Amino acid sequence: GENVEQHPSTLSVQEGDSAVIKCTYSDSASNYFPWYKQELGKRPQLIIDIRSNVGEKKDQRIAVTLNKTAKHFSLHITETQPEDSAVYFCAASKGGGSYIPTFGRGTSLIVHP
Amino acid sequence: NAGVTQTPKFQVLKTGQSMTLQCAQDMNHEYMSWYRQDPGMGLRLIHYSVGAGITDQGEVPNGYNVSRSTTEDFPLRLLSAAPSQTSVYFCASSTGTGASGYTFGSGTRLTVV
Repeated sequence: GENVEQHPSTLSVQEGDSAVIKCTYSDSASNYFPWYKQELGKRPQLIIDIRSNVGEKKDQRIAVTLNKTAKHFSLHITETQPEDSAVYFCAASKGGGSYIPTFGRGTSLIVHP
Repeated sequence: NAGVTQTPKFQVLKTGQSMTLQCAQDMNHEYMSWYRQDPGMGLRLIHYSVGAGITDQGEVPNGYNVSRSTTEDFPLRLLSAAPSQTSVYFCASSTGTGASGYTFGSGTRLTVV
């Protein structure tokens, strides 16, 4: 089955800096890559996603890039703010009636004011 | 739209007791899943369903049962609770087409003593 590795497990940055979280996946058939943000004590929420026919997607301060050849994808957060502090999960899944994502282990992002 | 509703929010069980965690969604989603979240382990899939009457095992199914008699409901049953089942449990649903990610419930924090 699919295996998703996520790094780093913890990331500490100063407010205003950029943050990058990286994930690799093993199944070349995976074609959908969502990212979730989980604030302390809350549920995970989808913040951005990318499909295998797209190399990059942006939404304000958040961007995701995908390299299908290398089987890795990354989340980029620019101009970080304290409210960006949370655990971020990447996931990978494939369509065709088998849309059950495999999650990475999460990255705890801490943004210091 | 209530989204995904989980009950209870908190539960303490004694070893050997059984209980059912409830999950209901009102978005007419075909796919529903149960995850457990433990520190440093990310979100691990317990069981999932791709439609009413269809269920399958995930990564960590032992000690848990599910059924899907309707599109809306996907209860998780703990057969004989063990301390190793102390965790936060999330139910999630999606359209299953890959057009959108998962919508998560608010979680159930379960402690087995």
